[in-house]
Amino acid sequence: DTEVTQTPKHLVMGMTNKKSLKCEQHMGHRAMYWYKQKAKKPPELMFVYSYEKLSINESVPSRFSPECPNSSLLNLHLHALQPEDSALYLCASSRETGSSGNTIYFGEGSWLTVV
Amino acid sequence: RKEVEQDPGPFNVPEGATVAFNCTYSNSASQSFFWYRQDCRKEPKLLMSVYSSGNEDGRFTAQLNRASQYISLLIRDSKLSDSATYLCVVNGGGSYIPTFGRGTSLIVHP
Repeated sequence: DTEVTQTPKHLVMGMTNKKSLKCEQHMGHRAMYWYKQKAKKPPELMFVYSYEKLSINESVPSRFSPECPNSSLLNLHLHALQPEDSALYLCASSRETGSSGNTIYFGEGSWLTVV
Repeated sequence: RKEVEQDPGPFNVPEGATVAFNCTYSNSASQSFFWYRQDCRKEPKLLMSVYSSGNEDGRFTAQLNRASQYISLLIRDSKLSDSATYLCVVNGGGSYIPTFGRGTSLIVHP
């Protein structure tokens, strides 16, 4: 069983809606990630938080807004999305960035459909 | 050239077969290597880390060849349940964010 918990598992939203994806881990990890995965493609990095600070933003459009309220929680706020943003959104965590042996643990993902 | 490259397959093998996948990486300073397994419509799950000396876990053997910059995954006595996509992940060497290969699809048939 994954120790990274994501909610909701499924989300359908209109292009004018505002919604949020939530992620929680209690492994004491200090790095947390958001990935986007389309069908038959590998996970694509969106954001990295290290010690609750945004360290990497992979040129993600501003309609995606990450937030890290504390070391265990990571949110992804969604606003004015497009149908092409429909994908599996994966949250992940690791002990920390910047080290070898940096195993990443994934949540089960949130399936997002934008209509 | 992509940082991490994998043959997407699919590799179509009968039950009981032995199958091997390779994954090449471009950054010679990479430090850690992993194989993840992803089932259809599920999240990636860690299958095994890859150590310099090679490592084995039941029917699965992972090896690292630093000179040629590739890692391999060998699956012996394939089971139907081994059908999945196998993702290679490389970390370190300046890019401290794990980098994914595109994955190799394995289909084990009766």
